[in-house]
Amino acid sequence: EAQVTQNPRYLITVTGKKLTVTCSQNMNHEYMSWYRQDPGLGLRQIYYSMNVEVTDKGDVPEGYKVSRKEKRNFPLILESPSPNQTSLYFCASSTGTGRYEQYFGPGTRLTVT
Amino acid sequence: QQPVQSPQAVILREGEDAVINCSSSKALYSVHWYRQKHGEAPVFLMILLKGGEQKGHEKISASFNEKKQQSSLYLTASQLSYSGTYFCGTADNYGQNFVFGPGTRLSVLP
Repeated sequence: EAQVTQNPRYLITVTGKKLTVTCSQNMNHEYMSWYRQDPGLGLRQIYYSMNVEVTDKGDVPEGYKVSRKEKRNFPLILESPSPNQTSLYFCASSTGTGRYEQYFGPGTRLTVT
Repeated sequence: QQPVQSPQAVILREGEDAVINCSSSKALYSVHWYRQKHGEAPVFLMILLKGGEQKGHEKISASFNEKKQQSSLYLTASQLSYSGTYFCGTADNYGQNFVFGPGTRLSVLP
């Protein structure tokens, strides 16, 4: 089954404790992206990757890091989480930008206290 | 810049029609539409491309006015299952810089 998986689905952590949210897709997609979703603001792009070893900032990259060492994986790293990073996070993948649909993972609800 | 969506929210009775609008201040290559149900991931509905090509859902239609950088999603004879938040997403004239709008919450009542 074609899918995007994220782990963990739920995470409660404390300020400053480094964490990683994993994302993996099995569709051989080149394009992968991370979004955060907050009430009233829609889905805002954090980082995206056009291919292995190619990543770029989205609209809200501050406080986040990503890496793309393999085509299927695109982890999101919060080096020093803060309460304003409490949000619902979605990973997505696609054949490319512009003319192709994005497939979303199930989401990770992160709470930083 | 994030596209603008209108209305922010709409309530319908089953069988009624609705239109959701999306507009951008920039020249666009494509407009995407997604629906998200509460607690779930967004699901793809349609893509409208510059030049008139469309891909997507059989029962939902949409239009794309390239000159005005506007798109509209048409939901006819709405069903209870249409309830959710609808997002448009736009890619710029080079097919890059994809950005979602803030969403339109649609509630269909029996």
